[in-house]
Amino acid sequence: GQQVMQIPQYQHVQEGEDFTTYCNSSTTLSNIQWYKQRPGGHPVFLIQLVKSGEVKKQKRLTFQFGEAKKNSSLHITATQTTDVGTYFCAAGGTSYGKLTFGQGTILTVHP
Amino acid sequence: SQTIHQWPATLVQPVGSPLSLECTVEGTSNPNLYWYRQAAGRGLQLLFYSVGIGQISSEVPQNLSASRPQDRQFILSSKKLLLSDSGFYLCAWSELQTHTIYEQYFGPGTRLTVT
Repeated sequence: GQQVMQIPQYQHVQEGEDFTTYCNSSTTLSNIQWYKQRPGGHPVFLIQLVKSGEVKKQKRLTFQFGEAKKNSSLHITATQTTDVGTYFCAAGGTSYGKLTFGQGTILTVHP
Repeated sequence: SQTIHQWPATLVQPVGSPLSLECTVEGTSNPNLYWYRQAAGRGLQLLFYSVGIGQISSEVPQNLSASRPQDRQFILSSKKLLLSDSGFYLCAWSELQTHTIYEQYFGPGTRLTVT
């Protein structure tokens, strides 16, 4: 089945530093979604990328989908303590909206 | 607006006891419904999904079962819990999907500890 590898598993940054998490697949993806899960909470949808080379921004967050549609990244500029949590990428499947989630990157921001 | 409810929020059960977790969605019709399990510090594992009443697909062989007795109700069950069933159980819904992939909306989850 479809698999997505997400790196790094953990990232510790000082507040104000940038952060990037990467999602990679050996197969071409039809789309990629990103979710954020706050500590103790549930995943919340952030964005979906569909087109090759697509770049989307949400304030300090920049999402990219690779030209070959086999990788994606989430970049946060100037992290804040409110950015702490686990960031997941999820690849959309071909049937019934099934998503394959990456293992997530746990972000810790030190004030 | 749409809302998704899960209960209970936390549960401690002995090994060998039965389990029933319930999920309901409001404000939408004919949703796709999903059950996930998340082990501590890990990713989300899809357990079951449903595209309609009585239609359940299982993703992994396990000690659990799911049912969808009503359009917006999804139930996760077990006859006899194992220690390995401990985890964070999340229910999610999405718009009915054909060729378009929609985002999923997650409930607050149930933290299950099997002792």
